[in-house]
This record gives sequence, C-alpha cells and structure tokens, in this order.
Amino acid sequence: DADVTQTPRNRITKTGKRIMLECSQTKGHDRMYWYRQDPGLGLRLIYYSFDVKDINKGEISDGYSVSRQAQAKFSLSLESAIPNQTALYFCATSDGSSNQPQHFGDGTRLSIL
Amino acid sequence: RKEVEQDPGPFNVPEGATVAFNCTYSNSASQSFFWYRQDCRKEPKLLMSVYSSGNEDGRFTAQLNRASQYISLLIRDSKLSDSATYLCVVGNDYKLSFGAGTTVTVRA
Repeated sequence: DADVTQTPRNRITKTGKRIMLECSQTKGHDRMYWYRQDPGLGLRLIYYSFDVKDINKGEISDGYSVSRQAQAKFSLSLESAIPNQTALYFCATSDGSSNQPQHFGDGTRLSIL
Repeated sequence: RKEVEQDPGPFNVPEGATVAFNCTYSNSASQSFFWYRQDCRKEPKLLMSVYSSGNEDGRFTAQLNRASQYISLLIRDSKLSDSATYLCVVGNDYKLSFGAGTTVTVRA
C-alpha cells in the first residue's frame, strides 16, 4: 500500500463546481503539502501544514483552501473551479525536522472544462 | 528569475553511455539539495540527497558547488530504465523549490 494516498486519481469537472481532493498518509509525518504541476513548470506550493492546527499559504493559494482534519489527512478544495486550475496535483509529506526530503502521493489529474 | 533552473533537454543517449547535467539555484541561503526522478507525469520520487562533499549511489553521482550555486547529476552505464525526467530540488527548512526537470531518454 502506498504511504501517501490521494483520491481521486483523475477528475473531470465543469467550471464553477466545487471540488475536493483528499490526501492521507501512513508515514506518521507531521508536515503535509499540496502542490500543482503544470507542463514546463516546476511544482508550485499551494498550501502547507505543520500540524493539525497549523495551515499556511504557499506561493499560489488564491482560489484554493485546505483542511487538516487529522495528522494523517490533508484535503485541498477548489471552491469554484476555473479552467486554469487544470493541472496535476500532488500531496506530499515530510517529518518535522528541517531540510528533509518530501514524499509524494500518486497525484490527481484534474481537468476543468 | 526562477529559483531553480535546469536545461530541459532532452538528453538522448545510447544504453551504456554516461550522461551528465546541471541545475543552478538562486538562493545562496539554501540548505538542502536533492535530485528527484519523475516518470511520465507520475509522482516525483527521491533519487538522492546531495551533499557538499559529493555523493554516489550506485551509478548515480551528485555534486554540489555552493560557490557557483549549481548541482550536478551524472549517470554512468545508462539503462533503458533510467529514461525519466530528473528534477533538481533546493530547500530551505520546509520550503522546497523545484526545477522544471531535465528529460533523459536512453535508447537501445
């Protein structure tokens, strides 16, 4: 079983719809992250959380919100999806130490029509 | 200016060849350095951390030059399975900055 699990794996939806992407992990890591990846660009950080009561905006948080329901769960919501949010989304985790590598889920391929 | 810049390639090499490529980073305060591998838009997977003294993991050798702010990756005796996009990643505490990747294709 994957250590970092994302659902759904693929989603096609229409402009204006609310969408939730979910991430759960069994690694016991405190830190969780949401990224998006677009062709020709590096991964960009949307939101991150260091523990259940800690939520922080990343470099491209506009149009997104998150919820850290438990140490193991971190969900990303698009309140009103727009076509330029079509991308590959990754959840990642790392332990609480500084300068540690991050471990990624399988990704969610999201298309907004 | 991008925080991490990579030559996108592609580097097209025959099996058994050696291939090497670099990335540069702009933040001199960066503290951690990694190479990740990504296959066909799947999840990035950690290939290796990069240390100031340079380090090797099997056929892969990584070097860090802090003075010139670049990181290199060398792959010896290339295998077909090495075909992938290699992401240069630079970190400062929790924050990782990702390059857009260098594509390597190994042909039979």
